[in-house]
Amino acid sequence: QSVLTQPPSASGTPGQRVTISCSGSNSNIGSNTVNWYQQLPGTAPKFFIYSNDQRPSGVPDRFSGSKSGTSASLAISGLQSEDEADYYCAAWDNSLNAYVFGTGTKVTVL
Amino acid sequence: QLQLQESGPGLVKPSETLSLTCTVSGGSISSNSYYWGWIRQPPGKGLEWIGSTYYSGSTYYNPSLKSRVTISVDTSKKKFSLKLSSVTAADTAVHYCARGTGGSGFDYWGQGTLVTVSS
Repeated sequence: QSVLTQPPSASGTPGQRVTISCSGSNSNIGSNTVNWYQQLPGTAPKFFIYSNDQRPSGVPDRFSGSKSGTSASLAISGLQSEDEADYYCAAWDNSLNAYVFGTGTKVTVL
Repeated sequence: QLQLQESGPGLVKPSETLSLTCTVSGGSISSNSYYWGWIRQPPGKGLEWIGSTYYSGSTYYNPSLKSRVTISVDTSKKKFSLKLSSVTAADTAVHYCARGTGGSGFDYWGQGTLVTVSS
């Protein structure tokens, strides 16, 4: 079982703002940076947000990441149909000495 | 453009050893700036980190798999490998190889390869 907890699903209509939470603990999010991955159906995960809030080249600026204490969030402002995907948070866990992924959130555009 | 490609058997019998190789092209595997990892995803489920290795040979494994996992790197061939012993049906998953960058996570991924454990 994952030590990073995400809601199983999130949804919105085109143009809406959607936020995905990622809850951890002092040994992971509380001590290390958070990364986010986007996984489109049938494809490999894509590097999406790193170091809590940094976007790699090519990731639209409607996506933003943030971290506070032992939680992190990924926000999508101006939801688009192509944003339908699974999103995973991840961080290093100092207690487990392991890289841990969140449980994943499926985003649906209504 | 860096590319990673997994290869290996798609079917492994229970109790045997799963062996996969990741070939790196378009970039160097011998850099202190990066590490190389394996991540798996059972059908319909989430991602699980298996372990990572630096080109120097230093390795880090998921504690839940540590007793069964070996990850090694061959810098001359620009490849790194995964071996998982004593597999069961629970090890059936798409296996991805990926490049890691410091605390920033995995920035390049292979396309993934499905390994099914079945007799």
